This record gives sequence, C-alpha cells and structure tokens, in this order.
Amino acid sequence: QSALTQPPSASGSPGQSVTISCTGTSSDVGAYHYVSWYQQHPGKAPKLMIYEVSQRPSGVPDRFSGSKSGNTASLTVSGLRAEDEADYYCDSYAGSDKWVFGGGTKLTVL
Amino acid sequence: VQLVESGGGVVQPGESLRVSCAASGFNFIHYGIHWVRQAPGKGLEWVAFIQRDGSNEEYADSVKGRFSISRDNSKNTVYLQMSSLKAEDTALYYCARDNNYWAFDFWGQGTLLIVAS
Repeated sequence: QSALTQPPSASGSPGQSVTISCTGTSSDVGAYHYVSWYQQHPGKAPKLMIYEVSQRPSGVPDRFSGSKSGNTASLTVSGLRAEDEADYYCDSYAGSDKWVFGGGTKLTVL
Repeated sequence: VQLVESGGGVVQPGESLRVSCAASGFNFIHYGIHWVRQAPGKGLEWVAFIQRDGSNEEYADSVKGRFSISRDNSKNTVYLQMSSLKAEDTALYYCARDNNYWAFDFWGQGTLLIVAS
C-alpha cells in the first residue's frame, strides 16, 4: 500500500486554473474508477470534492473537475478564488476493501 | 449527517485504547464506515473499513493485527480498538462515511491519540 504521488505544492493567481496530479499504479488508480479528491483547510476535517474520478457531490462548485488517464488522476480548479487555498488529497480504491491516499498538495492562491 | 468521534487520549507505548464514532442523521445500516488518521502536520492515511452489516473488515498494513474495527448497528456506533500502540500511531483519528461509491462523503471532527512515554 504505497501512497499515491502528488506534487507537494501548486499555485495560481485568482481567476487562473491549476491542475494537481495524482499518480498511482495499475493496482489502484489505473485499475478502478474510484478516485476521489478532498479539500482540507487548516484545523478542519477533509471535505469531499470529487468522487468516481469526475463526479461532484452536491454543493461543490463546478469550478472543480476531475479526470484520469492511465495511472494518473488529476484535479483541476478553474477560476481560482482565495477560499480555494487549502491542502488537497487524492484517494483511490485499491481493491479488496483497501484504500490509499496521496501525500497531499498545498494549493496557494497568489 | 453527523459523525462524532470520542475516546482519544494520551497512552504509553504498548497500551490499548478504544475510540468510538457515533453517527446520526442518516440510515446507519446502509453505509460502510472508515477510520482515517492524520499525524500532526502530515497527510491523511486510511486505517480501516467496516461493511454496512459488519460482514467484512479491512485494515492498512501499518495497523493490521493491532487494530480492530467493529460496529453496533443498534447504537449507530463504530469502534476502533487499538492495541500494542506505538509512537507512530499518534494522530487525529477521523471516522468517515463511505458514500457507496468508495469515497468518504462525511467526516467527523476527529479524536486525538497521543502515544508517548
């Protein structure tokens, strides 16, 4: 169960778009359509932003979108806003009722 | 939907502790529940999962054989029994609901475990 690989940091100016990658293996990200993304502000619990690669839960702005190609999933935040500054984590189902998270990416809005 | 963790505390290495997750606001028996932990200043780590009917449990390799997850559907509560605790188990322990699409859609606020001598 090795952690998925995310860049430690990402940044963009207000209004711009930023994409965060999440690289796994053919046993997790590449094998299943069950990749999700979480936003975590300091001192707060994580919040589900994307599930099943590209589905948005009710209430999540459509500025957040997800995709996957092979063993790499991506989260794109369009029209960056100050409140998007947070830590973002990807997660994938890895089979046999096991899950694996990425190491997290700190998104800074410049 | 509300998930409320409790039972964290300070223990010595080798000791045991049980933390609880009380659920409300949804039909508890329809959802699997996870435990996810976060060491201070670190990322999220999936710990354990229990199926909606308690028929199956799974664990991360880092806790397998030391931790045990269970649930009491009559009390809408999930438990995590932790034994042979190590310093590296120090973390904020969150319970989270599985949305039936293998994602964690609601989280509690966490309960803090500190393992130190």
